[in-house]
Amino acid sequence: GESVGLHLPTLSVQEGDNSIINCAYSNSASDYFIWYKQESGKGPQFIIDIRSNMDKRQGQRVTVLLNKTVKHLSLQIAATQPGDSAVYFCAETPGGGYQKVTFGTGTKLQVIP
Amino acid sequence: DAGVTQSPTHLIKTRGQQVTLRCSPKSGHDTVSWYQQALGQGPQFIFQYYEEEERQRGNFPDRFSGHQFPNYSSELNVNALLLGDSALYLCASSRWGVGETQYFGPGTRLLVL
Repeated sequence: GESVGLHLPTLSVQEGDNSIINCAYSNSASDYFIWYKQESGKGPQFIIDIRSNMDKRQGQRVTVLLNKTVKHLSLQIAATQPGDSAVYFCAETPGGGYQKVTFGTGTKLQVIP
Repeated sequence: DAGVTQSPTHLIKTRGQQVTLRCSPKSGHDTVSWYQQALGQGPQFIFQYYEEEERQRGNFPDRFSGHQFPNYSSELNVNALLLGDSALYLCASSRWGVGETQYFGPGTRLLVL
């Protein structure tokens, strides 16, 4: 079936370094791709999204790259901080009025002070 | 401006019982989606409500039902609880339409004994 998955379950990064979290997706019909951050005991927090007709989008300290040719999505976090430690989920949605979001299993980002 | 709120925060039930979880959407939002998140997994879509109707449903049995009220708040009901229903139940709200981001609440942690 359709799925969104991640290559690495855990990523350890030194504080101040850049982090890159990768994700593979299988549904080529998806319209939006989203990154969520989930801290322990909290609900997922929206970070950034990108529409399928784009290949790059930047936010504050974050950049999302979309490669539709190989169905790959990545999240880059610049100057990683201890507060960035969390589980990161990539997700996809078909867009339109129906907004069912399909999540991957998550990558845990550990920032080493 | 209040975000998405959910109640209760924690709940303990026994097998066979029924449970009702509640969600109030973010101000200005008219669409509510429910997700189940098992420990260590990504959230799984249960269903979505808009204009007091179920608009889309994930792969969940009929034991899972919901309702949306005229003020856009929503309830999730689960009948005949099973041990496997133990999870974090997340509510997400959004505005109905193309490209509208879903914002998640903190979730209700349900434990079935």
